[in-house]
Amino acid sequence: DPKIIQKPKYLVAVTGSEKILICEQYLGHNAMYWYRQSAKKPLEFMFSYSYQKLMDNQTASSRFQPQSSKKNHLDLQITALKPDDSATYFCASSQDHSQDTQYFGPGTRLLVL
Amino acid sequence: GQQVQQSPTSLVLQEGENAELQCNFSTSLNSMQWFYQRPGGSLISVFYNPSGTKQSGRLTSTTVIKERRSSLHISSSQITDSGTYLCAMEQRGSSGNKLIFGIGTLLSVKP
Repeated sequence: DPKIIQKPKYLVAVTGSEKILICEQYLGHNAMYWYRQSAKKPLEFMFSYSYQKLMDNQTASSRFQPQSSKKNHLDLQITALKPDDSATYFCASSQDHSQDTQYFGPGTRLLVL
Repeated sequence: GQQVQQSPTSLVLQEGENAELQCNFSTSLNSMQWFYQRPGGSLISVFYNPSGTKQSGRLTSTTVIKERRSSLHISSSQITDSGTYLCAMEQRGSSGNKLIFGIGTLLSVKP
């Protein structure tokens, strides 16, 4: 059974619309993260949460808003979508928000037209 | 500039050959992690290696923190080893830790 679930797997959106990317982890971890992988670029850290609290935000745009309704959930809301937002978005988790292995979900591939 | 430099960017091997992938960091780091990624696939953690040498089957990782480098050695490569290998440094700050990734090494193992 997958331990980190991301939904949907693929997502096509029109410019200006809003989408929510879902992430749930069943590893019992206390820390969760979002990363983005764009073509020809390294994976890029976006957010980290620990015990449902925002710890770090490296995303310049306020159009990206993480939402944590439960300890094992960290969704990502993206508003006013732009074609440059097209990327694969990975959710990850670790036992704690310290020196620890991070485990990644399968990703959501977003295409903005 | 890029904080994590990986080399080579791509590598083609004949099945059975060995591979040595390198990762160099421009800043101090607390630990590092190696990942494997198939095209369009998720990242699978291969090693979490703060220092020293770790081995798992045909894979060996060596991290020398004070020299800001890490390597991944693949021995007796197999076709199923093909994919992208990513290294990431763990950067720790007052707001917790995050991973800073390299661009990856694309490995292709031919029969």
